[in-house]
Amino acid sequence: AQTVTQSQPEMSVQEAETVTLSCTYDTSESDYYLFWYKQPPSRQMILVIRQEAYKQQNATENRFSVNFQKAAKSFSLKISDSQLGDAAMYFCAYRAPGGRDDKIIFGKGTRLHILP
Amino acid sequence: KAGVTQTPRYLIKTRGQQVTLSCSPISGHRSVSWYQQTPGQGLQFLFEYFSETQRNKGNFPGRFSGRQFSNSRSEMNVSTLELGDSALYLCASSFAGPSYGYTFGSGTRLTVV
Repeated sequence: AQTVTQSQPEMSVQEAETVTLSCTYDTSESDYYLFWYKQPPSRQMILVIRQEAYKQQNATENRFSVNFQKAAKSFSLKISDSQLGDAAMYFCAYRAPGGRDDKIIFGKGTRLHILP
Repeated sequence: KAGVTQTPRYLIKTRGQQVTLSCSPISGHRSVSWYQQTPGQGLQFLFEYFSETQRNKGNFPGRFSGRQFSNSRSEMNVSTLELGDSALYLCASSFAGPSYGYTFGSGTRLTVV
């Protein structure tokens, strides 16, 4: 069964600094999709960034970028120039190709604190 | 365009009662998934509906059920509530196909007393 592991329950970073959140996953599939979601105190889960496993190029969305290492099954999120609004719970997620087992599997999350 | 709408936002129920939660997906999204979020277990998959059919189900007891209507709106029902059912219930919708991420609603906070 596929699993997603986030080894850092909590992290803190100084405002304007860069922080990297770790994620590893386990799958026997060769084609799949990876996501990072953000959940602020408002509870709304927001999609931050998406990576397709067949693409070698790392995805980037403004200040957010990923380091996707397919062989190592690693998918870390880098936040540059951290802002107070980045404080939230961050979830790494995996989605297999379609079919009967099509669902998104989430890691336990990393709570990110931004220090002013 | 309107996001995923979940109602109600908060709910307090007594043990043994049943509850129905509602989710209206983004227009055009035919897939609706439900998750239970608790501090200890994180986000756990309940079930997924597509075109009124349950396509996928997580490891929850039969007290948890759901359905989807022809307009893609979905409901989930929990019967014989237990204290451990207290959680944030999140609904998410997406286009068909695994390449799409989910768009989540703000959730329903259920407290069982």
